[in-house]
Amino acid sequence: DAMVIQNPRYQVTQFGKPVTLSCSQTLNHNVMYWYQQKSSQAPKLLFHYYDKDFNNEADTPDNFQSRRPNTSFCFLDIRSPGLGDAAMYLCATSRDRDRGYEQYFGPGTRLTVT
Amino acid sequence: AQSVTQLGSHVSVSEGALVLLRCNYSSSVPPYLFWYVQYPNQGLQLLLKYTSAATLVKGINGFEAEFKKSETSFHLTKPSAHMSDAAEYFCAGARMDSSYKLIFGSGTRLLVRP
Repeated sequence: DAMVIQNPRYQVTQFGKPVTLSCSQTLNHNVMYWYQQKSSQAPKLLFHYYDKDFNNEADTPDNFQSRRPNTSFCFLDIRSPGLGDAAMYLCATSRDRDRGYEQYFGPGTRLTVT
Repeated sequence: AQSVTQLGSHVSVSEGALVLLRCNYSSSVPPYLFWYVQYPNQGLQLLLKYTSAATLVKGINGFEAEFKKSETSFHLTKPSAHMSDAAEYFCAGARMDSSYKLIFGSGTRLLVRP
């Protein structure tokens, strides 16, 4: 089945130690998104790629970076995680405006910062 | 301003009772509206979507929603709640600026009592 895959599902890192979260998709969608979701809150968009074009949200901290080496993969790098970065990180994809902006979400990676 | 508002952060129903989760959108949000469900430690799963076709939209798991332009509402209903429906529900609309971004409501946690 076509899907969005996130690895790992659970990640524990130390304060200040760089961490990378990965997302892959078999849907061949050209738009990929990274969201941060804290407990009992809606997902908050960090950035998205339209093909290779990177789009950063204005309030996304510089501590967060992303890479998209090809259509299928996208990475979220947190350069120096702080305790406030502990959250669920969701990757999503969509195929341009097809199907009315419908986004397909991965299962998420829960990040713990110790 | 574009916004999506969910009334009630928590809704509690008895098993077998009607489920009604409320969502209102600002008139500047285009008619691309979605309901997503999120189970604990999972990503978001699309329940249903409205994309300018039929105003009554049927989704998965017995849920449906009716788009009412005059009331700027897109409430989610299910005739008979099941214990497995207990989850967080998010209403979302697409932004008008063609940025492929979604505007999320704050979410409603559905509790189902036996």
